[in-house]
Amino acid sequence: DAGVIQSPRHEVTEMGQEVTLRCKPISGHNSLFWYRQTMMRGLELLIYFNNNVPIDDSGMPEDRFSAKMPNASFSTLKIQPSEPRDSAVYFCASIPGTPGNGELFFGEGSRLTVL
Amino acid sequence: GEDVEQSLFLSVREGDSSVINCTYTDSSSTYLYWYKQEPGAGLQLLTYIFSNMDMKQDQRLTVLLNKKDKHLSLRIADTQTGDSAIYFCAEIVNSGNTPLVFGKGTRLSVIA
Repeated sequence: DAGVIQSPRHEVTEMGQEVTLRCKPISGHNSLFWYRQTMMRGLELLIYFNNNVPIDDSGMPEDRFSAKMPNASFSTLKIQPSEPRDSAVYFCASIPGTPGNGELFFGEGSRLTVL
Repeated sequence: GEDVEQSLFLSVREGDSSVINCTYTDSSSTYLYWYKQEPGAGLQLLTYIFSNMDMKQDQRLTVLLNKKDKHLSLRIADTQTGDSAIYFCAEIVNSGNTPLVFGKGTRLSVIA
């Protein structure tokens, strides 16, 4: 199994640019999560999907952030326009069953730097 | 609401034991987890304990659970430099119908 695949691994962009992060969950996993990790705030849950449907996006910091899951094998997290305070490592994770029951599998993360 | 608390930093000498502590709030948690994050990588499940257990041992790892105090600990015996990582405690809430609640992570530094 290839695991959760994220791209890009590293992104450096300038303030105001659009950023799109991509995730391919493990095949057969029903729930997908986007997390953000910073030194100051630790690991924050941004949004999660169950069976491709967004369930809770209360962790999305503001309207500049949006996430989609058009099918079971692909999700995107978009930031438009990006700001320096968005610099963080963004993780995608998936789980085979209900959102909180079982082992959560994480991708390697996408490190975003906004200048 | 649900909350998982951990100390942020721990530093130990190589060969000593490390003890990472965690407190949680949801008394109905069925499983409690320890995840490990190595530098530049995502989190990986390290071990877990079922809530009807007091202790679980797996090679150098010992997990202790005190349900009364809602306290979980992870002990690493004979700590090695390769154990340097961030360790996250996590609990199941709402019978698993909502995401795991993670602590902020404890950064373990092992000094050679």
